[in-house]
Amino acid sequence: DGGITQSPKYLFRKEGQNVTLSCEQNLNHDAMYWYRQDPGQGLRLIYYSQIVNDFQKGDIAEGYSVSREKKESFPLTVTSAQKNPTAFYLCASSPEGGVTNEKLFFGSGTQLSVL
Amino acid sequence: SQQGEEDPQALSIQEGENATMNCSYKTSINNLQWYRQNSGRGLVHLILIRSNEREKHSGRLRVTLDTSKKSSSLLITASRAADTASYFCATLQGGSEKLVFGKGMKLTVNP
Repeated sequence: DGGITQSPKYLFRKEGQNVTLSCEQNLNHDAMYWYRQDPGQGLRLIYYSQIVNDFQKGDIAEGYSVSREKKESFPLTVTSAQKNPTAFYLCASSPEGGVTNEKLFFGSGTQLSVL
Repeated sequence: SQQGEEDPQALSIQEGENATMNCSYKTSINNLQWYRQNSGRGLVHLILIRSNEREKHSGRLRVTLDTSKKSSSLLITASRAADTASYFCATLQGGSEKLVFGKGMKLTVNP
């Protein structure tokens, strides 16, 4: 069935290690987003992409990197430069991005913890 | 940066009662959206109201928007235990490409 798939559901990172969170969608959506959620907090935008091979920094991009080589995939790498990576990471997509953005479809999230 | 702020931060009611959640924001918006999140899960879109609309309904949901007060309210009527979740408002600011979320409000509906 159609939707957004995030994997893994739980991920552990060792000190100094880069880890990559997967996000795949089969909704044929143009725009994809990565959000970070800390306990009791709202969602903060890390990166977003409105079209293949193009992406923009969100509000908290430092220590993260992304790629958008395929329309259906938008992986997020949490680098060793991100000193406080423990959080719940949510990937989302929408049919169109930009100022016509009307609805986001979310994956089920990845909980990242530091060992 | 946070745009919407939900109020109250937590609400506990009995099944069958109505639940009202408020959201205030600071800048002009294109639209305001409400989302629901069950614990440990992704968000689910509930309803969208555009800046030129004042009220919308969807099933047991009623959303109002007052752009002069920069506020919105979400009313859930005849609540059910299954409505227990966190609710977030999100705003698409005028001229922006980014949807900005509030911190959320936890609703508990007791059976």
